[in-house]
Amino acid sequence: DAMVIQNPRYQVTQFGKPVTLSCSQTLNHNVMYWYQQKSSQAPKLLFHYYDKDFNNEADTPDNFQSRRPNTSFCFLDIRSPGLGDAAMYLCATSREGGPLSYEQYFGPGTRLTVT
Amino acid sequence: QQQVKQSPQSLIVQKGGISIINCAYENTAFDYFPWYQQFPGKGPALLIAIRPDVSEKKEGRFTISFNKSAKQFSLHIMDSQPGDSATYFCAAIRAAGNKLTFGGGTRVLVKP
Repeated sequence: DAMVIQNPRYQVTQFGKPVTLSCSQTLNHNVMYWYQQKSSQAPKLLFHYYDKDFNNEADTPDNFQSRRPNTSFCFLDIRSPGLGDAAMYLCATSREGGPLSYEQYFGPGTRLTVT
Repeated sequence: QQQVKQSPQSLIVQKGGISIINCAYENTAFDYFPWYQQFPGKGPALLIAIRPDVSEKKEGRFTISFNKSAKQFSLHIMDSQPGDSATYFCAAIRAAGNKLTFGGGTRVLVKP
């Protein structure tokens, strides 16, 4: 089945220790997104790629970086995690941009714990 | 600035009842209005979506009602089942953009 896969599902890191979360997709979609979701809140968009075109949200901290080496893979790097970065990180894809990107396919998420 | 406001934050409904979730938006440039369903420990999944030139859309037990003049839309879950217990997010997207603006979410609990 075509899907969005996130690894690992659970990640524990230490305060200040860099961590990388990965996302892969078999849908061959052009657009990939990274969201941060904290408990009882809506997903918050961090950034997205339209093909190789990177789009950063204005309020995304510099601590968060992303890479998309090819269509299928996208990585979220947190350079110096703080306690406030503990959250669920969701990867999503959409086939195309524009209004039809309302149809997004989400992965199961990576639960990040910062100790 | 929260551009999509969702209410209630939570609701409890008996099995077989109707769950109603309301959303209001501010930006008239929004072009699609989807609803996402999220179960604990899972990513959100698209449930149903509507364009602003349509007043109602129904898929199975789920219906979106849309009031363009009032800038409001709502999700009705008919014959609610315990398996519908989840968090529901309304959202909106602009024709010129690639990103969803989410409402705050509603946690629905359907009691058997």
